[in-house]
Amino acid sequence: DAGVTQSPTHLIKTRGQHVTLRCSPISGHKSVSWYQQVLGQGPQFIFQYYEKEERGRGNFPDRFSARQFPNYSSELNVNALLLGDSALYLCASSVGRGNSPLHFGNGTRLTVT
Amino acid sequence: QKEVEQNSGPLSVPEGAIASLNCTYSDRVSQSFFWYRQYSGKSPELIMSIYSNGDKEDGRFTAQLNKASQYVSLLIRDSQPSDSATYLCAVKDNYGQNFVFGPGTRLSVLP
Repeated sequence: DAGVTQSPTHLIKTRGQHVTLRCSPISGHKSVSWYQQVLGQGPQFIFQYYEKEERGRGNFPDRFSARQFPNYSSELNVNALLLGDSALYLCASSVGRGNSPLHFGNGTRLTVT
Repeated sequence: QKEVEQNSGPLSVPEGAIASLNCTYSDRVSQSFFWYRQYSGKSPELIMSIYSNGDKEDGRFTAQLNKASQYVSLLIRDSQPSDSATYLCAVKDNYGQNFVFGPGTRLSVLP
C-alpha cells in the first residue's frame, strides 16, 4: 500500500514569494495534518483537516493556509515567504478518530533565500 | 500551552546496551502517547504507541507510561548502530487530533 506522498521533495524560493505544498494521504485515511520542523527541533503543528473541515490550527501567522479536497488530499499554502519559513514541512495522515497515530510522508524541504 | 519535554542528548550507548529515553508532558488530560524515530534528513517513523499505565513491549522496544507522574519512556534493548537516530515523543488528547511533539533525543549507538 502506498504511504503518505508529498510533493515536491525540495523547493527553493525567494523572500516574498508564494509556495504550495501537496500531500496525498494513505488510502482510507480521512485526516491530514501539517507540521513544520526546523533543524534540531520537534515538529510543530500547523493545521489539521478531517473530512475536508479544519479541526485545528497551530500558532502560525495568517500567511499559512491549507485546504483538504474531496479525495482527502491536501495543500498547504504559504504567502509572503520569510527566511524563517525555511524548514522541513511534514504532512501526516491518520484515520482521524480515537487513538489513531500519525503516519508521515517524506516531507518537503523548503529553502527561502 | 501543552508542553512535551525530552533530554536533547546526545545519548551515547555502546552496542548491545540498553538505551533509555525519557519524556514528560504537561497536560494531564493527555491520553495517547507515541514514540517516533527520525533518521537524519528523513521523516518521523512510528515505533510504538501506548495508552494505558504500565509497560508495552514490541521486539527490542519497551514503552513505559506513568500518567500520575506524567512520564513516558522508551527502552531499547540490545542497541544496534542502526538505532542511532533522533527519538521523538508525541502526546495527544482525545479531544482533537493535535499531536504535541517533544524536541527529540538524539541517540548514538557506538560499535
